[in-house]
Amino acid sequence: DARVTQTPRHKVTEMGQEVTMRCQPILGHNTVFWYRQTMMQGLELLAYFRNRAPLDDSGMPKDRFSAEMPDATLATLKIQPSEPRDSAVYFCASGLGTEHNEQFFGPGTRLTVL
Amino acid sequence: AQSVAQPEDQVNVAEGNPLTVKCTYSVSGNPYLFWYVQYPNRGLQFLLKYITGDNLVKGSYGFEAEFNKSQTSFHLKKPSALVSDSALYFCAVRDETGGSYIPTFGRGTSLIVHP
Repeated sequence: DARVTQTPRHKVTEMGQEVTMRCQPILGHNTVFWYRQTMMQGLELLAYFRNRAPLDDSGMPKDRFSAEMPDATLATLKIQPSEPRDSAVYFCASGLGTEHNEQFFGPGTRLTVL
Repeated sequence: AQSVAQPEDQVNVAEGNPLTVKCTYSVSGNPYLFWYVQYPNRGLQFLLKYITGDNLVKGSYGFEAEFNKSQTSFHLKKPSALVSDSALYFCAVRDETGGSYIPTFGRGTSLIVHP
């Protein structure tokens, strides 16, 4: 049963610290999405990769967030320095790169910045 | 441009009764429409999609959705609700002519099924 995996599942850190979240997309999927979910804002797209190339990161605060895909099996989202307003659940999703294919979401990383 | 609206933040229904979760969309071309469900402390899970063809789409867990082009709607339905259906439901749309693989998600509707 192929699944998207994310680590860590939970992260508590102090303001100013670096946070790295990792995602392993489903083997064979060529699109990867990073989302942030909060009660106030709902589901926000942060970054989108296709064939490991970043195609859209317009939703990501560039001064502190960065997203990369070092290889096809790993996507990373970094926050440096972290701030309390970054507290949220961060989801990774992968899919086959056509408009009519659904996304497969990971279980999320719940981030708390104190 | 593509957009989607879920007009109800919360839907309450009694177990055994039919349920409907509403979704309307706006696209320039033809829409690809999706429903996802999110259970507490879990990621979103795909339920069903409309690409083309039959307007009534059947999906997982007994859910179905009806595509209505004239009303630009894609409401999610189930004939008989279960308490275990209580969750957050998201509608999403992609525009066939948009040139982007990025879907637009609605804000979600919380479905509460009462015993």
